Formats: sequence, structure tokens, C-alpha cells
Amino acid sequence: DAEITQSPRHKITETGRQVTLACHQTWNHNNMFWYRQDLGHGLRLIHYSYGVQDTNKGEVSDGYSVSRSNTEDLPLTLESAASSQTSVYFCASSTDRDRLREQYFGPGTRLTVT
Amino acid sequence: AQKITQTQPGMFVQEKEAVTLDCTYDTSDQSYGLFWYKQPSSGEMIFLIYQGSYDEQNATEGRYSLNFQKARKSANLVISASQLGDSAMYFCAMSRFGNEKLTFGTGTRLTIIP
Repeated sequence: DAEITQSPRHKITETGRQVTLACHQTWNHNNMFWYRQDLGHGLRLIHYSYGVQDTNKGEVSDGYSVSRSNTEDLPLTLESAASSQTSVYFCASSTDRDRLREQYFGPGTRLTVT
Repeated sequence: AQKITQTQPGMFVQEKEAVTLDCTYDTSDQSYGLFWYKQPSSGEMIFLIYQGSYDEQNATEGRYSLNFQKARKSANLVISASQLGDSAMYFCAMSRFGNEKLTFGTGTRLTIIP
């Protein structure tokens, strides 16, 4: 069955370190997204991609970067982790072939920056 | 810019009763989609229901229905005959057709009382 996976599921890192969160989907979806979830804010968009070599900034992109070298993967990099980036991170994907633009979400990565 | 407002931070409902979760939205777009997601305590995001802005009929999916009132810019989720397993966080979200990124509300925590 097709799926979307994230790794690691939990990560503790120190302030200033570079961290990369992996997202891999086997739906063959063109669209991929990264969100962060914080109490009181719901989910907010960090970066997104509509296809290979395409990346776009979302609402809260400062301190984050992504690259899309293939259809399946959209890794999220925190260049220099800060305590304000402690959060739960969700990756999602969707197809642009169907009228219903449902996004399929990964299980999430809980990141703690100490 | 799009905005989603969920004014009920928490709700308590007796088992087997129907429940309505409020969602209002703001957008200048003519073509858009409205979504509801469920997030149980385990953390995953589960898609529940979708409504397109040009759909004339309210969407239904099993016990879930979306009460779409376009003129009032509201997209309330109705859960009929609530069950203990419905206890979760519920998020309303929207996207613009052709621009698939989702804008989320802050969520409503629903607790079903036996």
C-alpha cells in the first residue's frame, strides 16, 4: 500500500545544530508540504513543493529549507536549530490529478531543541 | 490571504448526541476547498470530509456532514450519534484551487462523555 513516512519520529538536538527531518511518500504525488504544529496555532505551513526542483516558502519559513530532487522525498532542514523550533512537524502530500485535493499526512516528528 | 476561525477551543458532548463544530473562513478567492481533519491523541491527522466552493450539495461521509453556508462563509462539521472514539482534536482547513497549500484553524478539542 502507498504511504507517507517520516523519520525520525522523535529527535532531541541542541541549539545551533543542523537537523534534517526526512519525508518519503510512495503515492507518486507531485505536491508535498511541511507543517509545524504548536499549541494554540494549529498547523502552519513551512515550505511546499509542486514537483521536482520546485520549492516555495510558506507562512513560517525562516530558519528552514527544503530541496526536491525526486518525486518521493522532501527533506526539511533546520540550518541552526533554535528553541523556538521545538514543535511537532508533519509532512503531507497530495495529487493534482484529482478534483479532491485531500492531503495525506505522515505520522509526524516530535523535535525538541534544548 | 485566507483565514480559518474556530471559536470553540473545547466541547463536551454526551455519547450518542449530535455535535456541531463551528468553522468560519475568510477568503477573496472564488474557487476553494474546505476540509475537516481529526487528530486523535495518538497524533496522526485523519481526513474526514471535503467541500468544494461550487458544490451545491453539502458533503456527507458516513456520520460526518459539512453544513456549508457560502454567503455566511461557514463550514460547520456535524457528527451524528457521537461515539467515545470521536474524542479528538478537530481542525478545519481550506485551500485555493490550483494552490494546494492548506490554511488551518486552531482546532476544537471534542470530548465525548459516556
